[in-house]
Amino acid sequence: DAGVIQSPRHEVTEMGQEVTLRCKLISGHNSLFWYRQTMMRGLELLIYFNNNVPIDDSGMPEDRFSAKMPNASFSTLKIQPSEPRDSAVYFCASSLVLAGVGNEQFFGPGTRLTVL
Amino acid sequence: GQQVMQIPQYQHVQEGEDFTTYCNSSTTLSNIQWYKQRPGGHPVFLIQLVKSGEVKKQKRLTFQFGEAKKNSSLHITATQTTDVGTYFCASQGGSEKLVFGKGTKLTVNP
Repeated sequence: DAGVIQSPRHEVTEMGQEVTLRCKLISGHNSLFWYRQTMMRGLELLIYFNNNVPIDDSGMPEDRFSAKMPNASFSTLKIQPSEPRDSAVYFCASSLVLAGVGNEQFFGPGTRLTVL
Repeated sequence: GQQVMQIPQYQHVQEGEDFTTYCNSSTTLSNIQWYKQRPGGHPVFLIQLVKSGEVKKQKRLTFQFGEAKKNSSLHITATQTTDVGTYFCASQGGSEKLVFGKGTKLTVNP
């Protein structure tokens, strides 16, 4: 198994541009988590899905951020318009959750986003 | 919401010295997970503790879950340069999501 796949690995864009981050889950997993990591704020959960349904999006900073899971294995996180303060490393993580009990999360390699 | 406080924030040791990081919560935790993130890398799961007073070992790493399930610790015996990284604890609230501590960044002087 290739593990969690994220693309792109690096993204440099200008303020105001739309950014789309992509994530492919590990086959057989049913939960996906999007995190943002910065020096100041550490590792923050943005949103998570269980069986393709968004369960908790309370960590999404504002309306400029949106996430979708069009099928059981793929998710996108979109920022429109992007701002310099969105610069961070964005991780997605995949897990198999049964009966509400979480197991280990498998993190992807991350997307390092720089907004100029 | 549920929070886990992790101390120390940074720890620098000489190779061969021991290292301990602590994770504390004001509320009872259902479980605790520990992750390691190497510099430039992504968090990697190390272990999960579920039972009160549980102790688990992985080679030089010892993980403990407090009797009251409000604290946990990770102890590394005789650190090596390969132990360098940030160690995070994370706990589950009443749902599938994990709440991560701020992490302890460990540097090892060879």
